[in-house]
Amino acid sequence: DGGITQSPKYLFRKEGQNVTLSCEQNLNHDAMYWYRQDPGQGLRLIYYSQIVNDFQKGDIAEGYSVSREKKESFPLTVTSAQKNPTAFYLCASGVTHPGYEQYFGPGTRLTVT
Amino acid sequence: GENVEQHPSTLSVQEGDSAVIKCTYSDSASNYFPWYKQELGKGPQLIIDIRSNVGEKKDQRIAVTLNKTAKHFSLHITETQPEDSAVYFCAAKGQAGTALIFGKGTTLSVSS
Repeated sequence: DGGITQSPKYLFRKEGQNVTLSCEQNLNHDAMYWYRQDPGQGLRLIYYSQIVNDFQKGDIAEGYSVSREKKESFPLTVTSAQKNPTAFYLCASGVTHPGYEQYFGPGTRLTVT
Repeated sequence: GENVEQHPSTLSVQEGDSAVIKCTYSDSASNYFPWYKQELGKGPQLIIDIRSNVGEKKDQRIAVTLNKTAKHFSLHITETQPEDSAVYFCAAKGQAGTALIFGKGTTLSVSS
């Protein structure tokens, strides 16, 4: 069964704790992306990676970190430096040649109190 | 950098009517324009896309048009059904990398 998986679906953490969100894909896509979604804000790019062992900051990278050690996996760590971490986090993967289609996972809703 | 504006933010139609959502983009080098449908609590689903060398694309009840001169593109849904109710996002890809810039979304409500 091909696709993008994100786990867990709901995550609760106390303020000051780092938390890592999982994203795995078996679509053999080179590129992977992390977006944050807040009500009325659309989707904002946090980080993206076009190949293994390389990644670039998006528009709102402060307080987040990523790694891309395997083609299939692109975990996102929300650090204690992120001032407003409560949000819906979406992972996507996509092709880079010849098109640019991106496909999204089901999302992780993170609540920090 | 690229900016994408989407209108309207909410749209209510009767079942069977048509719905149109419009987006404008700022980067004239943008060459790929997808549309996504997001149901409550789920990830966005790619429903149709268009590239800059094409003016119109249709897939059953949905169609997308692109006007490169005016830098805007639109989603058209005909014969709307209650299951079309969702949030729709447009996006554009600029020249740098493969990341997309998204509009803020349109909440479409189709009443029967």
